[in-house]
Amino acid sequence: GEQVEQLPSILRVQEGSSASINCTYENSASNYFPWYKQEPGENPKLIIDIRSNMERKQTQGLIVLLDKKAKRFSLHITDTQPGDSAMYFCAAGASGGNYKPTFGKGTSLVVHP
Amino acid sequence: EAGVTQSPRYAVLQEGQAVSFWCDPISGHDTLYWYQQPRDQGPQLLVYFRDEAVIDNSQLPSDRFSAVRPKGTNSTLKIQSAKQGDTATYLCASSPDWGGYEQYFGPGTRLTVL
Repeated sequence: GEQVEQLPSILRVQEGSSASINCTYENSASNYFPWYKQEPGENPKLIIDIRSNMERKQTQGLIVLLDKKAKRFSLHITDTQPGDSAMYFCAAGASGGNYKPTFGKGTSLVVHP
Repeated sequence: EAGVTQSPRYAVLQEGQAVSFWCDPISGHDTLYWYQQPRDQGPQLLVYFRDEAVIDNSQLPSDRFSAVRPKGTNSTLKIQSAKQGDTATYLCASSPDWGGYEQYFGPGTRLTVL
């Protein structure tokens, strides 16, 4: 099966700065890489995703980069705000009819005012 | 559009007791997933269905856990004899049937086994 490593486990930044979370995967067949934000007591919510036919995707202050050769993908949050404080999870999975993503262990992002 | 609903939201059991979790996916979503999320960890897949068929239950502890989706809509996950190690949030997610991979998660059931 797939293995996904996510680092760092805890990330503290100052408001207005950038935050970066990195994930690596093992299965070269993985071709879909979503990122989820989970606030305390809430369900994970998809915030951005990238497919293997792309190297970069950007939306509303979020940037995702994918390096298929290195089997690495990353989330970059620009101009962080206290409301960005939450758990963030990356995931990786392969399409082909039986999509079952493997999640990383999560990053706790704390944005200090 | 109504989201994924789950019940109960919370459950507290003694070891050895049984519990069932119920999930109602988004209407029209043919794929349904059950995840176990221990505290401060990522979701870990237990089982998933396409319509009423189990596609993968390799991570489901079959001696105590079971899951069904008899009509391809709602689903039930049951723990026969709970252990303290089962303490976690149980998340249900569904995906649409037109080939997209986006998963929509329900609010989860937070289980505590004493």
